[in-house]
Amino acid sequence: DQQVKQNSPSLSVQEGRISILNCDYTNSMFDYFLWYKKYPAEGPTFLISISSIKDKNEDGRFTVFLNKSAKHLSLHIVPSQPGDSAVYFCAASAFSGTYKYIFGTGTRLKVLA
Amino acid sequence: DVKVTQSSRYLVKRTGEKVFLECVQDMDHENMFWYRQDPGLGLRLIYFSYDVKMKEKGDIPEGYSVSREKKERFSLILESASTNQTSMYLCASSFTSGNTQEQYFGPGTRLTVT
Repeated sequence: DQQVKQNSPSLSVQEGRISILNCDYTNSMFDYFLWYKKYPAEGPTFLISISSIKDKNEDGRFTVFLNKSAKHLSLHIVPSQPGDSAVYFCAASAFSGTYKYIFGTGTRLKVLA
Repeated sequence: DVKVTQSSRYLVKRTGEKVFLECVQDMDHENMFWYRQDPGLGLRLIYFSYDVKMKEKGDIPEGYSVSREKKERFSLILESASTNQTSMYLCASSFTSGNTQEQYFGPGTRLTVT
């Protein structure tokens, strides 16, 4: 059973516009969420995170929104740039003392110049 | 700058071979993780370790074992490689305490089993 779901396998956005990547989860015990970005032939790199006590976290062009009642989080990238083209994974954790994460299946973002 | 290194970027092995994938981190992290990444399945946790000589099964441990003899090194072992273990293998590490729960990933090893 997939506890963290990214239902859109791919997304194309025009340069300069907003990219919105979505993630749904089923486990109400999750209390920490992260987004990772992955380029081909590289390991994922951390992008932004949010604790369940917040509903929004912003870092430059990247904003993560958390809707706990809907068990939904989203990543907004504004403005989108061609260098943002990558696979984005959301991940969730229910603290077990070891920060073990459950990852989604990923969304491939393509930003068109 | 945190660095997680993996011993090989590309590896080709034959069915039945014993395969060792090595991972080293230089940030004195307590936790280390092995994932595999497959198209449409995302990252799935194989094993993790929260201390030297400690290990716990992840979501898909079958066919794998691990070893953590030193804090900085975490090895993934495929006892008898099979074609369904062809995948991208990613190692990660993290602190246990602190405000950040970020995991730092290595570049990955693309393993092909023929």
